[in-house]
Amino acid sequence: DSGVTQTPKHLITATGQRVTLRCSPRSGDLSVYWYQQSLDQGLQFLIQYYNGEERAKGNILERFSAQQFPDLHSELNLSSLELGDSALYFCASSSSPLSEQYFGPGTRLTVT
Amino acid sequence: AQSVTQLDSQVPVFEEAPVELRCNYSSSVSVYLFWYVQYPNQGLQLLLKYLSGSTLVKGINGFEAEFNKSQTSFHLRKPSVHISDTAEYFCAVGRSNDYKLSFGAGTTVTVRA
Repeated sequence: DSGVTQTPKHLITATGQRVTLRCSPRSGDLSVYWYQQSLDQGLQFLIQYYNGEERAKGNILERFSAQQFPDLHSELNLSSLELGDSALYFCASSSSPLSEQYFGPGTRLTVT
Repeated sequence: AQSVTQLDSQVPVFEEAPVELRCNYSSSVSVYLFWYVQYPNQGLQLLLKYLSGSTLVKGINGFEAEFNKSQTSFHLRKPSVHISDTAEYFCAVGRSNDYKLSFGAGTTVTVRA
């Protein structure tokens, strides 16, 4: 158990819909990262927050957004969903931007 | 920009045999390096990391890796594998002036009895 929690574990929704994935970092960790893992793209970094502020952006689509709240939990919002958005979405946390990341169990999103 | 190349996508190996997973990276700045393991239907778990200091790094479950700056490599090794080592292994590289980790495509290790 990494100490990072993600909800829900599974999510099935239709194209065009909007979903929110939630992540609670390990106690004391200020940095939160979001990743997308799919068979064709592998593990892709999406976005990182540190203590509520966006610090780095990766291959995140404009239809996706994220935020980190004052209690340090983070949410990833995916809108206008397409079939190709079906993937595992991981959240990770670390105590500082340059230290090792601890991954949550992931949310499996299926878009039908 | 940086890239991470895991040279083998699949590595079949017999139980108690040694295994080496190869990882090469490209970067114009100093890096820090990680190996993660992903067991079926689970998240990624840190195996080991190199931040600075000794180039031979020991991790959990008997794994070790060696950082070779001249060859820009960070190969992972285990002298004797178990069935339970069957998993996907990811090499990850971060740059000292950046907050992102770049992951390799992964190497699937299948251990057979």
